[in-house]
Amino acid sequence: GIQVEQSPPDLILQEGANSTLRCNFSDSVNNLQWFHQNPWGQLINLFYIPSGTKQNGRLSATTVATERYSLLYISSSQTTDSGVYFCAVRSAGGTSYGKLTFGQGTILTVHP
Amino acid sequence: ETGVTQSPTHLIKTRGQQVTLRCSSQSGHNTVSWYQQALGQGPQFIFQYYREEENGRGNFPPRFSGLQFPNYSSELNVNALELDDSALYLCASSFPTGDTQYFGPGTRLTVL
Repeated sequence: GIQVEQSPPDLILQEGANSTLRCNFSDSVNNLQWFHQNPWGQLINLFYIPSGTKQNGRLSATTVATERYSLLYISSSQTTDSGVYFCAVRSAGGTSYGKLTFGQGTILTVHP
Repeated sequence: ETGVTQSPTHLIKTRGQQVTLRCSSQSGHNTVSWYQQALGQGPQFIFQYYREEENGRGNFPPRFSGLQFPNYSSELNVNALELDDSALYLCASSFPTGDTQYFGPGTRLTVL
């Protein structure tokens, strides 16, 4: 099945810093989502971005489908950005129906 | 707030028991997927239901089963609980095209 790798596994920042999270995937995809998981376990949708670039406030994301990677940018980080960031993809091949395959996540800690 | 609700929030069971977890989909969504998230891991796909039928399954044994009802709510049943079943169980709803999946807050199951 499709493999998803996220880097870095851990990231520690001071408030106000910028960061880039990376997601590599091993096959063509027709769905890619970025999530932020809060301390209570809720997965919060950040972006649906199987290709192209999107921005939402201090967050933006870019997916280069032909090169099989996606980047999540966080600018001017705040303590509330802390948590785990997941990339999840659906393979474009075979019978993947709605199955999302998740990476292992990036744990972001933002200090005041 | 995604509009997807799950119950109960927390549950403690003993090994060998059976458990039923519930999910109410976001309005208008007729596809529901269930995921298991072990501590420190990304969510793993269990199965998906569309129009009350299972139409995709991950690498989980048959003691994991589900139901989807005409109002698109769903249940996850786990028989003969094992210690390794301790995890956060997440449901996600989407339109059948499966573009964006919206996750509920999860049920945290502890098996003693």
